[in-house]
Amino acid sequence: QQKVQQSPESLSVPEGGMASLNCTSSDRNFQYFWWYRQHSGEGPKALMSIFSDGDKKEGRFTAHLNKASLHVSLHIRDSQPSDSALYFCAASYSGGSNYKLTFGKGTLLTVTP
Amino acid sequence: DPKIIQKPKYLVAVTGSEKILICEQYLGHNAMYWYRQSAKKPLEFMFSYSYQKLMDNQTASSRFQPQSSKKNHLDLQITALKPDDSATYFCASSPRDTEVFFGKGTRLTVV
Repeated sequence: QQKVQQSPESLSVPEGGMASLNCTSSDRNFQYFWWYRQHSGEGPKALMSIFSDGDKKEGRFTAHLNKASLHVSLHIRDSQPSDSALYFCAASYSGGSNYKLTFGKGTLLTVTP
Repeated sequence: DPKIIQKPKYLVAVTGSEKILICEQYLGHNAMYWYRQSAKKPLEFMFSYSYQKLMDNQTASSRFQPQSSKKNHLDLQITALKPDDSATYFCASSPRDTEVFFGKGTRLTVV
């Protein structure tokens, strides 16, 4: 069983719309959660991390963590065509092992002009 | 300018052969890693090196051997290649305890 599961597998939103991506973990030992974005032909790039319950906002991106349900979400406001990419949720067991990430399979986001 | 350089970008190898994937990083990080992304599995951690020493190994097979000749180099030698080794291999690095920076990857195809 995958320790980090993402949904949906793919998502299409119109330019200017809101994209919502979900991630659930099956391992309660995970303490840190990350969102990474990978454009075609590139390596993954970190968008943001979250480790406390609640919301964390960075520009158009808002992450939400609910540790009780082991659920993390990413909301992208005012989506742009340049946001079209593969989005990964990743988790680590501690701050000291943030290099050792367990990734989900990803959500492919397409923003249509 | 790419700060983590991986060579080659694409690689085709014959089953049973040996290949070396090259990685150099110019971010000044002391820790470097290898990750693998295959069609069947999510991106997965393989190795961690810090100050040129192996810190963590999550790869079961000894056919995968990291090699660090300099602080900012971490190559990956793969021997006795199998079709299942076909994947994109990402070199990565990080400052201590913060986000991981990935290179663009080397796509390996074993035929």
